[in-house]
Amino acid sequence: QKEVEQDPGPLSVPEGAIVSLNCTYSNSAFQYFMWYRQYSRKGPELLMYTYSSGNKEDGRFTAQVDKSSKYISLFIRDSQPSDSATYLCAMSNPMNYGGSQGNLIFGKGTKLSVKP
Amino acid sequence: DGGITQSPKYLFRKEGQNVTLSCEQNLNHDAMYWYRQDPGQGLRLIYYSQIVNDFQKGDIAEGYSVSREKKESFPLTVTSAQKNPTAFYLCASSTGGQVNTGELFFGEGSRLTVL
Repeated sequence: QKEVEQDPGPLSVPEGAIVSLNCTYSNSAFQYFMWYRQYSRKGPELLMYTYSSGNKEDGRFTAQVDKSSKYISLFIRDSQPSDSATYLCAMSNPMNYGGSQGNLIFGKGTKLSVKP
Repeated sequence: DGGITQSPKYLFRKEGQNVTLSCEQNLNHDAMYWYRQDPGQGLRLIYYSQIVNDFQKGDIAEGYSVSREKKESFPLTVTSAQKNPTAFYLCASSTGGQVNTGELFFGEGSRLTVL
């Protein structure tokens, strides 16, 4: 089983729709959870950042972490064509200092297209 | 403006040639990283460096080499030993410290194509 699983899509929605993007993971030691947004031919940029469980809201974006289910979600309300991008989940285990496991583990990314 | 600069943006290489990708940051970050991105594969860590003059192998280091002689610079050499070098290469940095809490800042990437 891979450490982080993410449906690659593509996901196509009409403008104004609510989008739900998800990742599952297997390592219960992960503590930091992130969502990165990557536009075509560009580097990823950090969108949302959550420590441990709970919800975090930033404008039209909400990140949820359910550690009991090992499941994280990103919701986009009132989606816009400018939200069309690939969304990558990422997570890390802060206890594995000194090894590559202390670094981020990325999902494969979900490609989202929001149609006007 | 602070940020990470990668060059070149596009690079073509003949088989058997080494090529070096440049990565410079002016964010005063201690840690720097190189990732490879292939379609359907996500981001895979090649090498990382948490401090000047020190670096560690990531998950797919074979066929690559790096150096970290200055805090600002972390060049990646793709050697002829790398069997499948055609990919999108991303450099990143973070404030570092003992753990990676995930706030990576990425460059715009370098796309390498082997002819």
